[in-house]
This record gives sequence, C-alpha cells and structure tokens, in this order.
Amino acid sequence: QVNLLQSGAALVKPGASVKLSCKASGYTFTDYYIHWVKQSHGKSLEWIGYINPNSGYTNYNEKFKSKATLTVDKSTNTAYMELSRLTSEDSATYYCTRGSYGGYDYWGQGVMVTVSS
Amino acid sequence: DVVMTQTPVSLSLAIGQPASISCKSSQSLLGTSGKTFLNWILQRPGQSPKRLIYQVSKLYSEVPDRFSGSGSETEFTLKISRVEAEDLGVYYCWQGTHFPRTFGGGTKLELK
Repeated sequence: QVNLLQSGAALVKPGASVKLSCKASGYTFTDYYIHWVKQSHGKSLEWIGYINPNSGYTNYNEKFKSKATLTVDKSTNTAYMELSRLTSEDSATYYCTRGSYGGYDYWGQGVMVTVSS
Repeated sequence: DVVMTQTPVSLSLAIGQPASISCKSSQSLLGTSGKTFLNWILQRPGQSPKRLIYQVSKLYSEVPDRFSGSGSETEFTLKISRVEAEDLGVYYCWQGTHFPRTFGGGTKLELK
C-alpha cells in the first residue's frame, strides 16, 4: 500500500534552517510528483511547490521560492524540503503529498515545525 | 493566483441530513487538456487531509457514494446525500489547473 512517511516534529531557532523528509513506499517513486503543502495553525492550506523525482525538476510557488528547496534521493525513495532563514511565520504543519491525475491521492501524516528561541 | 472561495464557512447538521458546499474560482478551471482539475479533500480533526474527489466528480475508490461532486468552469458543489458521523471535519476544494495550486478557505462540518 502507498505510504508517505514524514520525519518527526522540529523545534528550530529563528534564522536557522530545517530539512524535512518524506519517505515513499508502496509504489514506484519516480512515477509520481511529490508536492509540499503548508498549513499554518488553524488555517487553510498553501501550496509550496512540487518536484519530479525522476528528473529533479521543481516548480515553486513564487511566495516560497526563496524559502523552500525541494530535492529527492532516488536511492532511498525520499523527498526532502529544506526551509531556510526561519521566522515565526514559518511555524506550521507541512505535508508532502503525491500528485496524480491533477489531484493529490496520498498524503503524509504531516510534520509540525516550531520556530522559537 | 486563482482565488478559491468556499461557502458556507461552517455547517451544523444532524446525522442523516444532506449537506451542500459551494466552491467558486476566480478563473475558469477548464484546462487546455479539456479536463477540469477541481478537487475536494477532507481533513478530520487532528489528521492529515484525505482524498475525496478529483476532476470535479470522480470519487476515489474508498469514498462512499453518498458523496458527489459537480460543476464546471468556475462554480462547483460538493454534496453529501446523508451525513454520517465520520463525515465531520473540514472540507477543502482546491484547483490543480493553474500554478500556483490554490485551496479554498475550508468548510467545517459539525454534527448537531
């Protein structure tokens, strides 16, 4: 069965960076794009961008272009998102999700990032 | 960016009642492929979002047929024929036609 397993919660200091992981299993990793979505506490969802695991091609929401960097490691079927120069505005839950037929068919469990000194 | 507007913001319904949620987009979601990438997801309390409907009206395999989706261009509707307890949570529409992908503000379904 398809599963996207995300790394555990992170507490990071302002100005620092954090790298989140999303390990895929149950399907051919390179056949589907991985998207990342941000959900601030109690709020709606924002699309950050996606990566094509086969080619490494990325497409970012302009709002997150200088904030997020998406990469993959095909040898471990893992997608990564690095968030840089963190501020309190980056405190949120981040989801990875698999793109399929214009929808998202599987979601990771989410990872909460807290930015605090 | 395409703005997705959902109404109502919240719904309070008894088990067995029907539900209807509207989603309007600021631009047509009909893509150059001839497909319309309007999707619905449900986020239950404390959980990650779950898939419900893709391309306006196609239900994922595990979704009960009491759910249905309809609409075109800029106006879309999610309907539940008879609400059940497991249906509570926040429903989001989102569009996969244009970049950046955008989500509606959500509709919270509560049980009366």
